[in-house]
Amino acid sequence: GAGVSQSPRYKVTKRGQDVALRCDPISGHVSLYWYRQALGQGPEFLTYFNYEAQQDKSGLPNDRFSAERPEGSISTLTIQRTEQRDSAMYRCASSLDVNTEAFFGQGTRLTVV
Amino acid sequence: RKEVEQDPGPFNVPEGATVAFNCTYSNSASQSFFWYRQDCRKEPKLLMSVYSSGNEDGRFTAQLNRASQYISLLIRDSKLSDSATYLCVVNMSGKLSFGAGTTVTVRA
Repeated sequence: GAGVSQSPRYKVTKRGQDVALRCDPISGHVSLYWYRQALGQGPEFLTYFNYEAQQDKSGLPNDRFSAERPEGSISTLTIQRTEQRDSAMYRCASSLDVNTEAFFGQGTRLTVV
Repeated sequence: RKEVEQDPGPFNVPEGATVAFNCTYSNSASQSFFWYRQDCRKEPKLLMSVYSSGNEDGRFTAQLNRASQYISLLIRDSKLSDSATYLCVVNMSGKLSFGAGTTVTVRA
């Protein structure tokens, strides 16, 4: 596609529900990143992939958070048993290679009520 | 210590002024560096990469000091449209780490 696409753009869910956030990177991009961003803060690293391999998941806050990229393209970030503190903007980015610039999608605004 | 630290500002400058700010990083093995710009409620967008020899893109100049582990951004002849948050980004073995951002407001 022309750019990184994230869906849904907005998600409101009840506490305790599971949510799945989708990221469709730029075609051919090797690396895919997930970030979480609170208002007034920079993007906080969650995890990243090269192809289908998860290279670093040190930023995932706890075991309720997981991510996958099974075919090296689309990725899903899953949050189980959501809590109010999970409310944030979740951003996905992709880059052509491991040392090149990353391009962001428009993000998914998650609100847990 | 945070991996990437920035002065949050805000820097309030008049149109036409020069503004500069730094970013420090903790890992000396970091491999590549970038400045991103983020407008309110929008996604971050690449402003420029930062090269070892320093580089310029129009009114914007970026410098890298590996010995002291900091990068800088200088904006000359500021425009109203330069008002934004500027994010410092450091790449270490593929992991992109962002600073919290420096807010710049250019006033008429």
